[in-house]
Amino acid sequence: DIVLTQSPGTLSLSPGERATLSCRASQSVSSTYLAWYQQKPGQAPRLLIYGASSRATGIPDRFSGSGSGTDFTLTISRLEPEDFAVYYCQQSGRSSTWTFGQGTKVEIK
Amino acid sequence: QVQLQESGPGLVKPSQTLSLSCTVSGGSISSGSYYWNWIRQPAGKGLEWIGRLYTSGSTIYNPSLESRVTISVDMSKNQFSLKLKSVTAADTAIYYCARASWNDGWLFDYWGQGALVTVSS
Repeated sequence: DIVLTQSPGTLSLSPGERATLSCRASQSVSSTYLAWYQQKPGQAPRLLIYGASSRATGIPDRFSGSGSGTDFTLTISRLEPEDFAVYYCQQSGRSSTWTFGQGTKVEIK
Repeated sequence: QVQLQESGPGLVKPSQTLSLSCTVSGGSISSGSYYWNWIRQPAGKGLEWIGRLYTSGSTIYNPSLESRVTISVDMSKNQFSLKLKSVTAADTAIYYCARASWNDGWLFDYWGQGALVTVSS
């Protein structure tokens, strides 16, 4: 099974700052199968990015995704108050098992 | 607009079977090419994918839970269900149902609100 490791575990930043979140896979993942989700307290996760770099419908352009192979990145260019949340990467590759990373919490500094 | 809603007991005794249903509205569970999934999240922890059921009825489970999990569908009720047997306190979590659709990869595009299930005597 593909293991996704996210870093850092917690990111403490101020509104307006840039956030860079990492997701590393234990084996190569096609970019097609890498997505990012945002989860706020008490809510179900919401799709942000799919195909490693495509924004889902309604997602602001301050969110961007990049990467290939085993290393993927989610960048939030300028943090808005509503962006403080937990972010998960997820792979839905050809392997039978779909997996999530353990999450990165973006908190207000 | 597709909506998913989990339902089932919120309290299950250790060693018993956890049973949840997910009712789909705004679309037929039998049409299109979708995977219908169960995902869980223990309090304060990350997401764990449990398994998925394809529109055709075929299933794939997380190997770590495969011996205890069954996902099935009831087309007449537009529902799919989760059964997890021999539960322990470690199975206490919020259980989400979610639809995965294909768009440059399989994406969880619709989620239920989640159902908290506590395993306790």
